[in-house]
Amino acid sequence: EPEVTQTPSHQVTQMGQEVILRCVPISNHLYFYWYRQILGQKVEFLVSFYNNEISEKSEIFDDQFSVERPEGSNFTLKIRSTKLEDSAMYFCASSRRGDPEGAFFGQGTRLTVV
Amino acid sequence: AQTVTQSQPEMSVQEAETVTLSCTYDTSESDYYLFWYKQPPSRQMILVIRQEAYKQQNATENRFSVNFQKAAKSFSLKISDSQLGDAAMYFCASYTGANSKLTFGKGITLSVRP
Repeated sequence: EPEVTQTPSHQVTQMGQEVILRCVPISNHLYFYWYRQILGQKVEFLVSFYNNEISEKSEIFDDQFSVERPEGSNFTLKIRSTKLEDSAMYFCASSRRGDPEGAFFGQGTRLTVV
Repeated sequence: AQTVTQSQPEMSVQEAETVTLSCTYDTSESDYYLFWYKQPPSRQMILVIRQEAYKQQNATENRFSVNFQKAAKSFSLKISDSQLGDAAMYFCASYTGANSKLTFGKGITLSVRP
């Protein structure tokens, strides 16, 4: 069964450093997403990406964040100058536009900012 | 804007019994989908079941079924013959093609007693 793959599974970084979270979506999917979940809280939408551009972003997704799909297969989330409150589980997801199957999620990357 | 409300933070069920998890939602869209996701201790998000809003028939997936009350904007998940592996956090979510993102509820922690 096809799956979304995320690397690394756990990333520890010092406050102020830049991190890049990587995702390989399901191959025939066209929409890509990043969500995050602060420990014990609900899953929050960050950004959606379609046709090589951002289609929607939340208020959380400020200038500190950026996304790209440089090689046509990996979908990355970059967080510049990380803050303590960026510590969370980050989920990548992909879906087919208009397909009612919903989004398929990766296993998540646990980001810890110290 | 979409909202999803899960008012019960925790529930417990005896193994082999049936449990129902509640969810209400609000949306101005006429075309939308509803989902239940399971998040076990590994924290991966797993799609359990989905419901298209235009379908009157309640979705069923093995031991999992939903009670979709469109007029009441209610979408509950019934788990029959509960198993120890069902213990997890369960999130209700809505999705529309208009903004192509999932909106999650706060989740409910389900424990299964042996």
